Amino acid sequence: DAGVIQSPRHEVTEMGQEVTLRCKPISGHDYLFWYRQTMMRGLELLIYFNNNVPIDDSGMPEDRFSAKMPNASFSTLKIQPSEPRDSAVYFCASSLRAGGVYEQYFGPGTRLTVT
Amino acid sequence: GQQLNQSPQSMFIQEGEDVSMNCTSSSIFNTWLWYKQDPGEGPVLLIALYKAGELTSNGRLTAQFGITRKDSFLNISASIPSDVGIYFCAGPSYSGAGSYQLTFGKGTKLSVIP
Repeated sequence: DAGVIQSPRHEVTEMGQEVTLRCKPISGHDYLFWYRQTMMRGLELLIYFNNNVPIDDSGMPEDRFSAKMPNASFSTLKIQPSEPRDSAVYFCASSLRAGGVYEQYFGPGTRLTVT
Repeated sequence: GQQLNQSPQSMFIQEGEDVSMNCTSSSIFNTWLWYKQDPGEGPVLLIALYKAGELTSNGRLTAQFGITRKDSFLNISASIPSDVGIYFCAGPSYSGAGSYQLTFGKGTKLSVIP
């Protein structure tokens, strides 16, 4: 079975540009999570969805960040405009409530560099 | 929010040695999870613990849910080179926005010397 798929794996962009990160969760999973990982702050939850509905976006740093989940097999995280401090690795993860919502399966991540 | 403190932050061991690491919190957790992250990859779930005092194994890995519910331990027996990576503990904490979310420790970086 395919795991969580993220694209692109690497993204280099200039400050002020729009960045869109994409995620395909594991088929059948009803929870989807977006995390950000940096050396300073570790792994932080940005937002999560249940059945395509955003449940908790308290981790989204500011209005420049937005996330959508138009259907059960696709989600995007958008940063507009991007800033150098947004440079980090962004992970998408999914889980199944019946199997334990906290038993999350992570994608390989997107390494974002904003110059 | 709640914080998880992992120790040690890093460790260097000889291949074949046993490894112990732990995770502590000032608050009670009802679930503990241990993940491993290889370089350039996302974290992978190793073990999930749901009951105080629970001891669970996954191959050479054994994890325990502390009876105070404020700590958890991970042991690796007979380490091998592929055990290299960063090990994270995690537990659900109240986000303040009406939901629970996973909080991760800062990780223990394990290096194995062949």
